[in-house]
Amino acid sequence: AQSVTQPDIHITVSEGASLELRCNYSYGATPYLFWYVQSPGQGLQLLLKYFSGDTLVQGIKGFEAEFKRSQSSFNLRKPSVHWSDAAEYFCAVGSTDSWGKLQFGAGTQVVVTP
Amino acid sequence: SQTIHQWPATLVQPVGSPLSLECTVEGTSNPNLYWYRQAAGRGLQLLFYSVGIGQISSEVPQNLSASRPQDRQFILSSKKLLLSDSGFYLCAWSARGLPGNTIYFGEGSWLTVV
Repeated sequence: AQSVTQPDIHITVSEGASLELRCNYSYGATPYLFWYVQSPGQGLQLLLKYFSGDTLVQGIKGFEAEFKRSQSSFNLRKPSVHWSDAAEYFCAVGSTDSWGKLQFGAGTQVVVTP
Repeated sequence: SQTIHQWPATLVQPVGSPLSLECTVEGTSNPNLYWYRQAAGRGLQLLFYSVGIGQISSEVPQNLSASRPQDRQFILSSKKLLLSDSGFYLCAWSARGLPGNTIYFGEGSWLTVV
């Protein structure tokens, strides 16, 4: 069965510190991987996506993610967080045989402290 | 550029009342359209998707329904709301054609059933 796991429900990080959010997936077909961010009461904004090619993907707002097929992971990173990065982050997976129906993880809530 | 609008942004409805959430996409044609629901503290669940006018597929059994009367219009409805229908509803679209196309989300609609 297809699944997406975000092991960390909640992460607290100090402003200026680095951030890493974990995402693991289980997918039979070739996966397409996404990270979205959701600010309170708002829709989801795409941060970055991986389809093929270079496994290190750069996104908006200084985020990057690395696809590791051997570990079935697509972890999101940012070297130095800003207070405005406080939000909920969702990993999502699609595949060639699901043409647009994404499977979402449960999300990771990020709190940024001064 | 493409934009997606959904309304109303918030609504409070009594149990047993009807529901209609509307979504329109501008700046593209023949999009795939989706309705997702996000319950409090949980991830996103795909409710319906559509590949064309009048073509609706349901992902989960429920008392909600969806319709696509026009190419870029997607409507989520219920004849009689349940308390469990409360949540954050997100309309989304993706371009037709390539699998794994990015899904773009609207700003969401908060529904509270009382």
